[in-house]
Amino acid sequence: QVQLQESGPGLVKPSETLSLTCTVTGGSISSYYWSWIRQSPGKGLEWIGYIFYSGSTNYNPSLKSRVTISVDTSKNQFSLKLSSVTAADTAVYYCARDYPYFDSWGQGTLVTVSS
Amino acid sequence: DIQMTQSPSSLSASVGDRVTITCRASQSIRSYLNWYQQKPGKAPKLLIHAASSLQSGVSSRFSGSGSGTDFTLTISSLQPEDFATYYCQQSYITPHTFGQGTKLEIK
Repeated sequence: QVQLQESGPGLVKPSETLSLTCTVTGGSISSYYWSWIRQSPGKGLEWIGYIFYSGSTNYNPSLKSRVTISVDTSKNQFSLKLSSVTAADTAVYYCARDYPYFDSWGQGTLVTVSS
Repeated sequence: DIQMTQSPSSLSASVGDRVTITCRASQSIRSYLNWYQQKPGKAPKLLIHAASSLQSGVSSRFSGSGSGTDFTLTISSLQPEDFATYYCQQSYITPHTFGQGTKLEIK
């Protein structure tokens, strides 16, 4: 059973870059798509984007100009960078396996944007 | 983007009740519709994929149906652990989009 775990700072200052990493255990990151999803009270569940183990990506157009998702197959990890954050980016961020349904999720990590 | 609209937004029911939640897509998504259950402080859990396929390990109390634009999630006999928020999600086209959620509460 694959397991995912998000890690990264829980507090980010406005205008800075949010950086999170998802570590996959219990299975290989290869041969699957991997997504980032966030959840805030104001906007519900929002898909941010996915990456294939080969490195190809697909981003939500609403965030595309600020998002970068990357993968490190040697570490069985994939990462999210979201630039120029504002208070509206405050949310719980989840990583998930995209199959294309989300069948495995991390526990989620709360990221607060505040000075 | 494809808009997903769930109804009702909230629902009160009793243990043993049969409950149906509806999800409507703004355009046809064929059968690319998934259902999730979320409890407070936890990640969503996949219940149903491809409109009607029960995820491994999920109780057979849960069933899904529909295609095109209209879908339903049915819980045949509510158990105490079923009180949670339910979301639909389309995986037909990116950006993947979710419904706003249906909160199922104990009557």
